[in-house]
Amino acid sequence: AQKITQTQPGMFVQEKEAVTLDCTYDTSDPSYGLFWYKQPSSGEMIFLIYQGSYDQQNATEGRYSLNFQKARKSANLVISASQLGDSAMYFCAMREESFGNEKLTFGTGTRLTIIP
Amino acid sequence: DTGVSQDPRHKITKRGQNVTFRCDPISEHNRLYWYRQTLGQGPEFLTYFQNEAQLEKSRLLSDRFSAERPKGSFSTLEIQRTEQGDSAMYLCASSPKRLATDTQYFGPGTRLTVL
Repeated sequence: AQKITQTQPGMFVQEKEAVTLDCTYDTSDPSYGLFWYKQPSSGEMIFLIYQGSYDQQNATEGRYSLNFQKARKSANLVISASQLGDSAMYFCAMREESFGNEKLTFGTGTRLTIIP
Repeated sequence: DTGVSQDPRHKITKRGQNVTFRCDPISEHNRLYWYRQTLGQGPEFLTYFQNEAQLEKSRLLSDRFSAERPKGSFSTLEIQRTEQGDSAMYLCASSPKRLATDTQYFGPGTRLTVL
């Protein structure tokens, strides 16, 4: 079964608008972390934001925030005031943290295009 | 801190040849990870090291694949008798893993094309 689901293959957003990228996950591990990475055309995966399963507050990092809804198992990324440089692939990932697990499991990604 | 570096950035080889990739992690990061990313997919975990010890290997890592991190610093990933299905981006990441929140920092990847 898919552990990370990103249902939006592509999105087009006008510059300066906010954008929400969807991510749902599936795990039975009570301790897990959720990550968002950005991958520009150059190929490097750039870490954006982290949310732990026990965190009470939604994570924020500058223009990025993570809308964490634990009961719905969703971890959507919100980018405020989008910029042309935000055009890239965005990947949601999960790390199941019990028993010393280290690996990240990624979704299939969403290609975001910012329109001037 | 310099970031994670990978060499080469691109490799084109013929089917049946052996290839080796190198990854230099961020200094003092004791965790090092290898992932493979095929077109249109997210990265898939291959293996990881804590210092020089290889602690986990995915079933994706067939017998033709071997990874080493001999002194707990840089790592190499070798693919023997390459097949066209090995064509992918090979990503390396490192982490200090001092805290649960510590994330993995990725290098630019090595793009392998098997003809």
